[in-house]
Amino acid sequence: DSGVTQTPKHLITATGQRVTLRCSPRSGDLSVYWYQQSLDQGLQFLIQYYNGEERAKGNILERFSAQQFPDLHSELNLSSLELGDSALYFCASSELHRADTEAFFGQGTRLTVV
Amino acid sequence: GESVGLHLPTLSVQEGDNSIINCAYSNSASDYFIWYKQESGKGPQFIIDIRSNMDKRQGQRVTVLLNKTVKHLSLQIAATQPGDSAVYFCAENIGSGYSTLTFGKGTMLLVSP
Repeated sequence: DSGVTQTPKHLITATGQRVTLRCSPRSGDLSVYWYQQSLDQGLQFLIQYYNGEERAKGNILERFSAQQFPDLHSELNLSSLELGDSALYFCASSELHRADTEAFFGQGTRLTVV
Repeated sequence: GESVGLHLPTLSVQEGDNSIINCAYSNSASDYFIWYKQESGKGPQFIIDIRSNMDKRQGQRVTVLLNKTVKHLSLQIAATQPGDSAVYFCAENIGSGYSTLTFGKGTMLLVSP
């Protein structure tokens, strides 16, 4: 158990809908990363928050947004969902904002868009 | 070779053999590298890291080798066990300020008893 909790584990929704994925980082970790893992693109970095502030942005679509709350949990909002958004979404947390500190991944949320 | 969709490169070994998993990274400016292991149904798990000022780093049963000249990274697993069966990813830090990691496509390691 990495200490990172993601909910829900599975999500099935229709095209055009909006969903929210939730991540609770390890106790004491200030940095949260979101990744998308699909069969054809591998593991893609989406966005990073550190202590409530956006720190780095990767290949995140405009239809997607995220935030980190004062209690350090984070949410990833996916809207106007398309079939191609079906993927595993991982959250990772680390103590610092730097990528050279060990990041711990959650079990992921499997999103299926039908 | 390159992975396309479901067709991850696969390495099949016998229990007790040594395994070598290779990774070609993309950016000559990358200065930090990590190997992750992902078991079925789980998130990636940190194995070992190395900075660009090193050529080799050893952990417990694992060794990472870095060849900056040819932009190549390898993970050696000694005395491979069935529990080592997983997909292995290399990741490189490309962004400035050590903020982000870029992951490779992964290699599947299958260990037979």
